[in-house]
Amino acid sequence: KNEVEQSPQNLTAQEGEFITINCSYSVGISALHWLQQHPGGGIVSLFMLSSGKKKHGRLIATINIQEKHSSLHITASHPRDSAVYICAVTPNTGNQFYFGTGTSLTVIP
Amino acid sequence: DVKVTQSSRYLVKRTGEKVFLECVQDMDHENMFWYRQDPGLGLRLIYFSYDVKMKEKGDIPEGYSVSREKKERFSLILESASTNQTSMYLCASSLLGTSGSYEQYFGPGTRLTVT
Repeated sequence: KNEVEQSPQNLTAQEGEFITINCSYSVGISALHWLQQHPGGGIVSLFMLSSGKKKHGRLIATINIQEKHSSLHITASHPRDSAVYICAVTPNTGNQFYFGTGTSLTVIP
Repeated sequence: DVKVTQSSRYLVKRTGEKVFLECVQDMDHENMFWYRQDPGLGLRLIYFSYDVKMKEKGDIPEGYSVSREKKERFSLILESASTNQTSMYLCASSLLGTSGSYEQYFGPGTRLTVT
C-alpha cells in the first residue's frame, strides 16, 4: 500500500511556466516534507509543514490537513529547477518518513 | 550545517561478496536511516536506529544488517551481495522527535552495482 501518492510522475514545462505538483496521503501526520533531488543523488529538504502555507523564493508549499493533500508550486520556472521532487510524511507515531515515488520535472529553456 | 557523508559514491562488487556501506553525521543526531532508491519505487527504508546499538527493521530488511557502535556512525552490511541489491543507497539522520517531526538530512548516496 502507498501511504503517499504524488502526481504527476513526470512533468515537462517551458521556462517561465507556473508548475504545480500534488501530493495526497492516507495517514495521520505530524508533518509533511517536500524534498528535491538533483541528478547525482543528493536530496535536500525544501519545506517541512504541518499547516497552511510556506514560501521560499519562487517555491510555495501548501497543505490542507482535512483533505490530506499538499501542493508544491514553482513560479517562473527555470531550467535549474529540473529535478525530482519528493513528498514525504511523518506519521503521528514514530520517526519514520513515508515517501512518494517522486515527480520528475524538466524545465526546457 | 549538518553534514552526512557516505564512504563511497560508486561501488562495484561481485555476487556473494560482503559489502560495507558507511555513513557518518556530524550533528549529534539520534536517528539514522538507511534507504534504497530504485526507479519507480521511490525511497524504501531498510533499517533505522534511534540510539547507539539500537536498530529497527524498516520495510525491506531482508539481506541486510546494520551496526551502530558510535552515535555518529551507522553502517549497512550486505552479508552476501546479490544482483537484486544493485541500487542507490542513501543514508539520512535527524534529531529524535518526541512530538512533531524533524527534518531528515541526507548523504550524497552510494550507487552500488553487484555483478
